[in-house]
Amino acid sequence: EVQLVESGGGLVQPGGSLRLSCAASEFTFSTYSIHWVRQAPGKGLEFVSGISRDGGTTSYANSVKGRFIVSRDNSKNTAYLQMGTLRVEDMGLYYCATAGRDFWSGLNQYWGQGTLVTVSS
Amino acid sequence: EIVLTQSPGTLSLSPGERATLSCRASQSVPRNCLAWYQQKVGQAPRLLFYGVSTRPTGIPDRFSGSGSGTDFTLTITGLEPEDYAVYHCQQYVTSPWTFGQGTKVEIK
Repeated sequence: EVQLVESGGGLVQPGGSLRLSCAASEFTFSTYSIHWVRQAPGKGLEFVSGISRDGGTTSYANSVKGRFIVSRDNSKNTAYLQMGTLRVEDMGLYYCATAGRDFWSGLNQYWGQGTLVTVSS
Repeated sequence: EIVLTQSPGTLSLSPGERATLSCRASQSVPRNCLAWYQQKVGQAPRLLFYGVSTRPTGIPDRFSGSGSGTDFTLTITGLEPEDYAVYHCQQYVTSPWTFGQGTKVEIK
């Protein structure tokens, strides 16, 4: 069964940084694009960032562009989200999810359980 | 950016009743690349439909999806206790990929 496990969340002050990881198992990681999707408390889902199978193409929501960087290491079956200059509005549960083999298909078939990011002074 | 608006925000229904959830797009969704996800409390979303009406393996047939263009509907025929959850629609063809704000189906 496909498994995605996020880690790296925690409490950080406004303006601070965090690095999230998404470790994959039980499937061929390099055959899927990977998305990061967040959910603020009591709110809906919001696409944050995506990365293609080979890492050569990335996409970001306007709200995080210039502050977040997505990457992946297929040899480690892991994707990363480097988050900088964090704001209170970045707070929420961050999920990683598989997306299409074609980067431009954003269908999220498999999801991790999420890691919680809290931004507060 | 394609904005998705879901209605109603909350649906209060009794077990066995029929649930009808709406998702309206600000512009036509190309190739009907519209998905629905179910999210139970404390859990990650689960893919319920893709391509408007295609169910992944394991999704019960009391769930059905329909629509095209800008108007889409998720129907649950005969609510079961495990169906009480939040349902999200998503367009997955145009970056940035966008979700609706969700519809909560709660027990009446």
